[in-house]
Amino acid sequence: DAGVTQSPTHLIKTRGQQVTLRCSPKSGHDTVSWYQQALGQGPQFIFQYYEEEERQRGNFPDRFSGHQFPNYSSELNVNALLLGDSALYLCASSLLGQTSFYGYTFGSGTRLTVV
Amino acid sequence: KQEVTQIPAALSVPEGENLVLNCSFTDSAIYNLQWFRQDPGKGLTSLLLIQSSQREQTSGRLNASLDKSSGRSTLYIAASQPGDSATYLCAVSLKYSGGGADGLTFGKGTHLIIQP
Repeated sequence: DAGVTQSPTHLIKTRGQQVTLRCSPKSGHDTVSWYQQALGQGPQFIFQYYEEEERQRGNFPDRFSGHQFPNYSSELNVNALLLGDSALYLCASSLLGQTSFYGYTFGSGTRLTVV
Repeated sequence: KQEVTQIPAALSVPEGENLVLNCSFTDSAIYNLQWFRQDPGKGLTSLLLIQSSQREQTSGRLNASLDKSSGRSTLYIAASQPGDSATYLCAVSLKYSGGGADGLTFGKGTHLIIQP
Protein backbone atom coordinates (compact mmCIF):
# COMPACT_ATOMS: atom_id res chain seq x y z
CA ASP A 1 0.00 0.00 0.00
CA ALA A 2 1.74 3.15 -1.25
CA GLY A 3 2.00 5.95 1.24
CA VAL A 4 2.14 9.63 0.40
CA THR A 5 4.58 10.40 -2.41
CA GLN A 6 6.03 13.83 -3.13
CA SER A 7 8.09 15.13 -6.01
CA PRO A 8 10.67 16.39 -6.51
CA THR A 9 12.71 15.58 -3.39
CA HIS A 10 14.99 18.59 -3.77
CA LEU A 11 14.69 21.81 -5.73
CA ILE A 12 16.79 24.96 -6.12
CA LYS A 13 15.14 28.13 -7.44
CA THR A 14 16.11 31.77 -7.85
CA ARG A 15 14.32 34.64 -6.11
CA GLY A 16 11.30 35.83 -8.08
CA GLN A 17 10.77 32.51 -9.84
CA GLN A 18 7.73 30.26 -9.54
CA VAL A 19 7.72 26.65 -8.33
CA THR A 20 5.29 23.72 -8.42
CA LEU A 21 5.45 20.83 -5.97
CA ARG A 22 3.45 17.64 -6.38
CA CYS A 23 1.82 15.15 -4.04
CA SER A 24 0.02 11.84 -4.43
CA PRO A 25 -2.04 10.87 -1.37
CA LYS A 26 -2.09 7.51 0.33
CA SER A 27 -4.36 5.02 -1.40
CA GLY A 28 -7.93 5.46 -0.12
CA HIS A 29 -7.40 9.02 1.12
CA ASP A 30 -9.32 11.93 -0.38
CA THR A 31 -7.96 15.00 1.41
CA VAL A 32 -4.56 16.62 0.94
CA SER A 33 -2.94 19.22 3.20
CA TRP A 34 0.29 21.13 2.71
CA TYR A 35 2.73 22.29 5.40
CA GLN A 36 5.88 24.41 5.40
CA GLN A 37 8.66 23.51 7.82
CA ALA A 38 11.52 25.96 8.31
CA LEU A 39 14.76 24.67 9.82
CA GLY A 40 14.39 23.96 13.53
CA GLN A 41 10.66 24.72 13.56
CA GLY A 42 7.50 22.67 13.60
CA PRO A 43 5.49 22.44 10.36
CA GLN A 44 3.08 25.31 9.61
CA PHE A 45 -0.28 24.61 7.97
CA ILE A 46 -0.63 26.18 4.50
CA PHE A 47 -3.96 24.84 3.20
CA GLN A 48 -6.13 21.76 2.75
CA TYR A 49 -7.90 20.49 -0.37
CA TYR A 50 -10.98 18.30 -0.56
CA GLU A 51 -13.19 17.58 -3.58
CA GLU A 52 -10.88 19.75 -5.70
CA GLU A 53 -11.53 22.84 -3.60
CA GLU A 54 -9.53 24.69 -0.97
CA ARG A 55 -11.28 23.76 2.25
CA GLN A 56 -9.21 25.58 4.80
CA ARG A 57 -6.22 27.93 4.72
CA GLY A 58 -3.54 28.90 7.20
CA ASN A 59 -1.81 32.24 7.52
CA PHE A 60 0.05 32.27 4.21
CA PRO A 61 -0.02 34.94 1.46
CA ASP A 62 -1.79 34.53 -1.86
CA ARG A 63 1.57 33.72 -3.48
CA PHE A 64 0.86 30.23 -2.19
CA SER A 65 -1.83 28.48 -4.18
CA GLY A 66 -2.84 24.93 -4.84
CA HIS A 67 -4.89 22.54 -6.84
CA GLN A 68 -6.41 19.12 -6.34
CA PHE A 69 -7.12 16.82 -9.26
CA PRO A 70 -9.97 14.29 -9.70
CA ASN A 71 -7.58 11.47 -8.71
CA TYR A 72 -7.00 13.32 -5.37
CA SER A 73 -3.39 14.23 -6.18
CA SER A 74 -2.40 17.82 -5.48
CA GLU A 75 -0.01 20.58 -6.46
CA LEU A 76 1.39 23.44 -4.42
CA ASN A 77 2.41 26.53 -6.38
CA VAL A 78 4.50 29.36 -5.00
CA ASN A 79 4.93 32.54 -7.04
CA ALA A 80 7.51 35.33 -6.71
CA LEU A 81 9.79 33.24 -4.52
CA LEU A 82 11.52 34.87 -1.57
CA LEU A 83 14.60 33.69 0.28
CA GLY A 84 12.32 33.07 3.27
CA ASP A 85 10.38 30.46 1.30
CA SER A 86 13.33 28.10 1.65
CA ALA A 87 11.97 25.20 3.68
CA LEU A 88 10.86 21.58 3.70
CA TYR A 89 7.37 21.35 2.19
CA LEU A 90 5.33 18.46 3.51
CA CYS A 91 2.19 16.95 2.07
CA ALA A 92 -0.24 15.05 4.28
CA SER A 93 -3.29 13.02 3.31
CA SER A 94 -6.32 11.87 5.24
CA LEU A 95 -9.82 10.51 4.74
CA LEU A 96 -12.69 12.90 5.36
CA GLY A 97 -16.22 12.11 6.30
CA GLN A 98 -15.62 8.92 8.23
CA THR A 99 -17.11 8.21 11.64
CA SER A 100 -13.67 8.00 13.23
CA PHE A 101 -10.65 10.03 12.19
CA TYR A 102 -7.56 7.92 11.61
CA GLY A 103 -5.05 10.72 11.45
CA TYR A 104 -2.81 12.26 8.86
CA THR A 105 -0.17 10.41 6.81
CA PHE A 106 2.80 12.52 5.74
CA GLY A 107 5.13 12.26 2.79
CA SER A 108 8.92 12.62 2.90
CA GLY A 109 8.77 16.23 1.75
CA THR A 110 10.32 18.47 -0.88
CA ARG A 111 13.35 20.50 0.18
CA LEU A 112 13.11 23.90 -1.55
CA THR A 113 16.12 26.20 -1.56
CA VAL A 114 15.71 29.75 -2.88
CA VAL A 115 18.94 31.52 -3.83
CA LYS B 1 -5.29 30.91 18.17
CA GLN B 2 -4.11 27.45 19.17
CA GLU B 3 -0.51 27.30 20.42
CA VAL B 4 1.44 24.12 21.14
CA THR B 5 4.51 24.00 23.38
CA GLN B 6 6.87 21.08 23.80
CA ILE B 7 9.21 20.61 26.73
CA PRO B 8 12.10 19.92 26.82
CA ALA B 9 13.42 21.28 23.52
CA ALA B 10 16.27 18.78 23.64
CA LEU B 11 17.07 15.71 25.69
CA SER B 12 20.08 13.39 25.81
CA VAL B 13 19.91 10.21 27.89
CA PRO B 14 21.78 6.89 28.12
CA GLU B 15 20.35 3.85 26.42
CA GLY B 16 17.82 1.88 28.48
CA GLU B 17 16.28 4.78 30.34
CA ASN B 18 12.55 5.46 30.43
CA LEU B 19 11.69 9.01 29.45
CA VAL B 20 8.78 11.42 29.17
CA LEU B 21 8.20 14.12 26.57
CA ASN B 22 5.69 16.84 27.32
CA CYS B 23 3.24 18.73 25.12
CA SER B 24 0.82 21.48 26.12
CA PHE B 25 -1.83 23.29 24.08
CA THR B 26 -3.84 26.43 24.76
CA ASP B 27 -7.28 25.53 23.33
CA SER B 28 -8.63 22.47 25.12
CA ALA B 29 -11.44 21.93 22.58
CA ILE B 30 -9.24 19.73 20.44
CA TYR B 31 -10.57 17.10 18.04
CA ASN B 32 -7.51 14.90 18.29
CA LEU B 33 -3.79 14.90 19.13
CA GLN B 34 -1.11 13.12 17.15
CA TRP B 35 2.53 12.37 18.01
CA PHE B 36 5.04 12.16 15.17
CA ARG B 37 8.68 11.24 14.80
CA GLN B 38 10.97 13.05 12.36
CA ASP B 39 14.45 11.91 11.40
CA PRO B 40 16.89 14.61 10.15
CA GLY B 41 15.81 16.03 6.80
CA LYS B 42 12.97 13.52 6.48
CA GLY B 43 9.19 13.54 6.58
CA LEU B 44 6.98 12.74 9.55
CA THR B 45 6.15 9.26 10.79
CA SER B 46 2.94 8.97 12.79
CA LEU B 47 3.46 7.29 16.17
CA LEU B 48 0.17 7.60 18.03
CA LEU B 49 -3.20 9.27 17.49
CA ILE B 50 -5.43 10.10 20.46
CA GLN B 51 -9.04 11.04 19.79
CA SER B 52 -10.56 13.73 22.00
CA SER B 53 -12.68 11.11 23.79
CA GLN B 54 -9.66 8.95 24.67
CA ARG B 55 -7.24 9.22 27.59
CA GLU B 56 -4.30 7.26 26.22
CA GLN B 57 -2.93 5.14 23.40
CA THR B 58 -0.17 2.55 23.39
CA SER B 59 2.05 1.13 20.67
CA GLY B 60 4.91 -1.14 21.68
CA ARG B 61 7.27 0.81 23.94
CA LEU B 62 5.34 4.04 23.41
CA ASN B 63 2.46 5.32 25.50
CA ALA B 64 0.75 8.66 24.99
CA SER B 65 -1.72 10.21 27.41
CA LEU B 66 -4.13 13.09 26.96
CA ASP B 67 -5.64 15.41 29.55
CA LYS B 68 -7.87 17.80 27.62
CA SER B 69 -9.00 19.79 30.64
CA SER B 70 -5.44 20.78 31.52
CA GLY B 71 -4.32 21.04 27.88
CA ARG B 72 -1.54 18.47 28.22
CA SER B 73 -0.23 15.30 26.64
CA THR B 74 2.78 13.18 27.47
CA LEU B 75 4.68 10.67 25.38
CA TYR B 76 6.32 7.96 27.44
CA ILE B 77 9.14 5.94 25.85
CA ALA B 78 10.14 2.81 27.73
CA ALA B 79 13.60 1.21 27.60
CA SER B 80 15.01 3.76 25.15
CA GLN B 81 17.28 2.61 22.31
CA PRO B 82 19.76 4.50 20.07
CA GLY B 83 17.31 4.00 17.19
CA ASP B 84 14.82 6.18 19.07
CA SER B 85 17.04 9.21 18.42
CA ALA B 86 14.96 11.70 16.42
CA THR B 87 12.81 14.80 16.82
CA TYR B 88 9.40 14.12 18.34
CA LEU B 89 6.56 16.42 17.33
CA CYS B 90 3.19 16.89 18.98
CA ALA B 91 0.30 18.22 16.88
CA VAL B 92 -3.34 19.00 17.62
CA SER B 93 -6.36 19.74 15.49
CA LEU B 94 -9.73 21.26 16.24
CA LYS B 95 -12.95 20.01 14.69
CA TYR B 96 -13.56 21.81 11.43
CA SER B 97 -16.97 23.45 11.09
CA GLY B 98 -17.52 21.69 7.78
CA GLY B 99 -16.80 18.30 9.34
CA GLY B 100 -13.67 16.32 10.02
CA ALA B 101 -10.40 17.57 11.40
CA ASP B 102 -8.88 21.03 11.18
CA GLY B 103 -5.36 21.58 9.91
CA LEU B 104 -2.74 20.52 12.43
CA THR B 105 -0.97 22.93 14.78
CA PHE B 106 2.48 21.67 15.70
CA GLY B 107 4.90 22.29 18.51
CA LYS B 108 8.56 22.90 17.73
CA GLY B 109 9.47 19.39 18.80
CA THR B 110 11.78 17.67 21.27
CA HIS B 111 15.17 16.67 19.85
CA LEU B 112 16.01 13.35 21.49
CA ILE B 113 19.43 11.69 21.56
CA ILE B 114 19.86 8.23 23.05
CA GLN B 115 23.49 7.54 23.88
CA PRO B 116 24.70 3.94 23.26
